[in-house]
Amino acid sequence: QQPVQSPQAVILREGEDAVINCSSSKALYSVHWYRQKHGEAPVFLMILLKGGEQKGHDKISASFNEKKQQSSLYLTASQLSYSGTYFCALTSGGNDMRFGAGTRLTVKP
Amino acid sequence: GAVVSQHPSWVICKSGTSVKIECRSLDFQATTMFWYRQFPKQSLMLMATSNEGSKATYEQGVEKDKFLINHASLTLSTLTVTSAHPEDSSFYICSASGLAGGGAYNEQFFGPGTRLTVL
Repeated sequence: QQPVQSPQAVILREGEDAVINCSSSKALYSVHWYRQKHGEAPVFLMILLKGGEQKGHDKISASFNEKKQQSSLYLTASQLSYSGTYFCALTSGGNDMRFGAGTRLTVKP
Repeated sequence: GAVVSQHPSWVICKSGTSVKIECRSLDFQATTMFWYRQFPKQSLMLMATSNEGSKATYEQGVEKDKFLINHASLTLSTLTVTSAHPEDSSFYICSASGLAGGGAYNEQFFGPGTRLTVL
């Protein structure tokens, strides 16, 4: 079952913050976040495992609330290079991942 | 991070022909490989999961006789689109999962994708 992502799209000015949410109706084992630029394959950002992880790298961080079956990706002080489509992908214990529909992020100067 | 390559990067073929796409893990052994399809402005849809040496597991709605998957070794999986039709035109992406140095648990490493256009 495909996870639900919100918002579908967001437009930011450089330096602004954004939050992308991902939720599932199934119990989750892990959450993966990817960014995809047009015409390219997705690029791995981070993975969060069950246990209530929070992670960050540079100005991108994420949290995973397994009780609520949801994860959020936080983009702080956005840069032009952050533009792209962000996907969450969820696993329920197996190896297969289900991708969300994506959130199109546009950062303008 | 681990590197996964795909070949070819793009292919244009005539309706009715078969096309083979290769997916290779270059610096690690991929015990499991995944094939995805992505239509324009849509998400990645998992087509099948393959483990080395065994038959692929196909997702509901994916015709196994049309999309032949072979995972003959720990570094190579192939997807053959048989009797391709224009509606098969899409971006096909493979990913590999396995014991990769520095990789996060259960992380999948994606290939660069293959754009298939069927005329």
